[in-house]
Amino acid sequence: EAAVTQSPRNKVAVTGGKVTLSCNQTNNHNNMYWYRQDTGHGLRLIHYSYGAGSTEKGDIPDGYKASRPSQENFSLILELATPSQTSVYFCASGDGLGGGDTQYFGPGTRLLVL
Amino acid sequence: GQQVQQSPSSLVLQEGENAELQCNFSSTATQLQWFYQSPGGSLVSLLSNPSGTKHTGRLTSTTVTKERRSSLHISSSQTTDSGTYLCAIDRGNNNRIFFGDGTQLVVKP
Repeated sequence: EAAVTQSPRNKVAVTGGKVTLSCNQTNNHNNMYWYRQDTGHGLRLIHYSYGAGSTEKGDIPDGYKASRPSQENFSLILELATPSQTSVYFCASGDGLGGGDTQYFGPGTRLLVL
Repeated sequence: GQQVQQSPSSLVLQEGENAELQCNFSSTATQLQWFYQSPGGSLVSLLSNPSGTKHTGRLTSTTVTKERRSSLHISSSQTTDSGTYLCAIDRGNNNRIFFGDGTQLVVKP
């Protein structure tokens, strides 16, 4: 059973619309992350969280909000989607132990903003 | 500047050949991970190796921390090894990971 799941797996949105991407983890990890990956590039960190109720800005937070209502769930919210946000989004959870964090990734969500 | 740089950006091999992938990073890393991303996009952690040499199956990772570099050696490559290999570091101060752009590996039969 996959420990990190994402929904939806694919999404088509219109410019200016609201998009919510959801992530659930059963690893009981404190840390959760949202990344985007554009073609031919590595992952870039959007938002992350140290636990329920906490959200922190990553490297590219503009145009995105995040919500961590519980240990298991971490959402990424695009209030006003733009075509530049077309990308593949990955959620991850991490144990944050020992001064370093081994992260476990979900399957990704492909978002197309028209 | 980019925290993690990988080389080569792409690599084409014949099945059975060995692959050597490089990762250089610009700041001290408390954690270094190698990931495999399948052609379908899924990400799997291969190895966590902040220092020294680590083996798993046909994979060997060697990280020289003070030189800020790591390598991933794939022996006897198979067509199923095709995909993108990503290197990522964690500097340990706030559990944020920085990814390189990856090496795209194609193994031909």
